[in-house]
Amino acid sequence: GAGVSQSPRYKVAKRGQDVALRCDPISGHVSLFWYQQALGQGPEFLTYFQNEAQLDKSGLPSDRFFAERPEGSVSTLKIQRTQQEDSAVYLCASRATGTHEQYFGPGTRLTVT
Amino acid sequence: AQSVTQLGSHVSVSEGALVLLRCNYSSSVPPYLFWYVQYPNQGLQLLLKYTSAATLVKGINGFEAEFKKSETSFHLTKPSAHMSDAAEYFCAVSDGAGANSKLTFGKGITLSVRP
Repeated sequence: GAGVSQSPRYKVAKRGQDVALRCDPISGHVSLFWYQQALGQGPEFLTYFQNEAQLDKSGLPSDRFFAERPEGSVSTLKIQRTQQEDSAVYLCASRATGTHEQYFGPGTRLTVT
Repeated sequence: AQSVTQLGSHVSVSEGALVLLRCNYSSSVPPYLFWYVQYPNQGLQLLLKYTSAATLVKGINGFEAEFKKSETSFHLTKPSAHMSDAAEYFCAVSDGAGANSKLTFGKGITLSVRP
């Protein structure tokens, strides 16, 4: 498809489980971003990749959060030992070189019970 | 540090009425500004962007926004609301490209349109 895709769309995890969320950016987009959107709030920045390099991870809330993009295309956001406060929608966005606008995927809604 | 303020969490208008959603920003450098719309259970869709060209920006679905540096504002307007405009709207600011291009969002405004 032409847009950003994310999977799964919905994930329910028991507290303490590990989860992995996948993002497929728009083909050819060098920049990839992850955001966390809590209920009733705007998205908040988690981390940024340029190709396979993670250039900014200042928004990751704890060392339980880990992101990778090994081949500069698909990215995975991993959350270890999930906690209830991790419940949120996780959005992925990509951006083409030389442009300023980011294009978002549909998000993964994570519910930790 | 950048920030975005969207006053009020909910705006209700009648179909055919003017839509005005307010956004004020804070940025230490000339900003890039964006409005996104989010429908239920969907991601964010770009409505329009300001990237230091014309101060009056036209976007999709009849929306437009005006960048006013003196007021640090980027309010979103539409002359005549349609039922399909009911959604959540987010204003966002970025201060550059590359590693500095992350978006900082406001809390969002829910727009309701009454028949």
